[in-house]
Amino acid sequence: NAGVTQTPKFQVLKTGQSMTLQCAQDMNHEYMSWYRQDPGMGLRLIHYSVGAGITDQGEVPNGYNVSRSTTEDFPLRLLSAAPSQTSVYFCASSYLQGQRGSEQYFGPGTRLTVT
Amino acid sequence: GEDVEQSLFLSVREGDSSVINCTYTDSSSTYLYWYKQEPGAGLQLLTYIFSNMDMKQDQRLTVLLNKKDKHLSLRIADTQTGDSAIYFCAEETAGNKLTFGGGTRVLVKP
Repeated sequence: NAGVTQTPKFQVLKTGQSMTLQCAQDMNHEYMSWYRQDPGMGLRLIHYSVGAGITDQGEVPNGYNVSRSTTEDFPLRLLSAAPSQTSVYFCASSYLQGQRGSEQYFGPGTRLTVT
Repeated sequence: GEDVEQSLFLSVREGDSSVINCTYTDSSSTYLYWYKQEPGAGLQLLTYIFSNMDMKQDQRLTVLLNKKDKHLSLRIADTQTGDSAIYFCAEETAGNKLTFGGGTRVLVKP
């Protein structure tokens, strides 16, 4: 299994540009989520999905859109990039909460800089 | 509300024990997790504890949970240089959602 993969690894955008961060998993996990990591602030949940066709907002959803057309893929779209979105973005997936909680598997991250 | 706090930095000598502390505020948390992040990498689950447990041991790792004080700790025995990383605690309430602390950077000195 490849686990959770993310592309690109690095990206530089100008203010106002749009782009899509890709995330895919091959573990047949129902739950997928996007986090952003900023220094000293841990990870904050942007959007999440509990299955194909179902998405919901997390703690910091503004400026981002998601969709979940398949179980495997969960892309994150930046509609009009702003410098405040400079961050490292992580995608994670897990089975829905069961006896062992929801061990989440993380991708390697996408480092985004908005100038 | 949900808020998870950790100290920012811990320095420890190789071979000593490390103790990383975490406090949380949501008493309805079901599971509490410890993740490790090495430079340039994603997060890797180290261990977890269910909210009705007080302690869990897993090789060099010991997790202690004090539900009354909402305090979680991770002890790493015989700390090695490979343990240098950022450690995050996280609480899970309902629906798989995790709330993370800000992370504790652990530096292991030879």
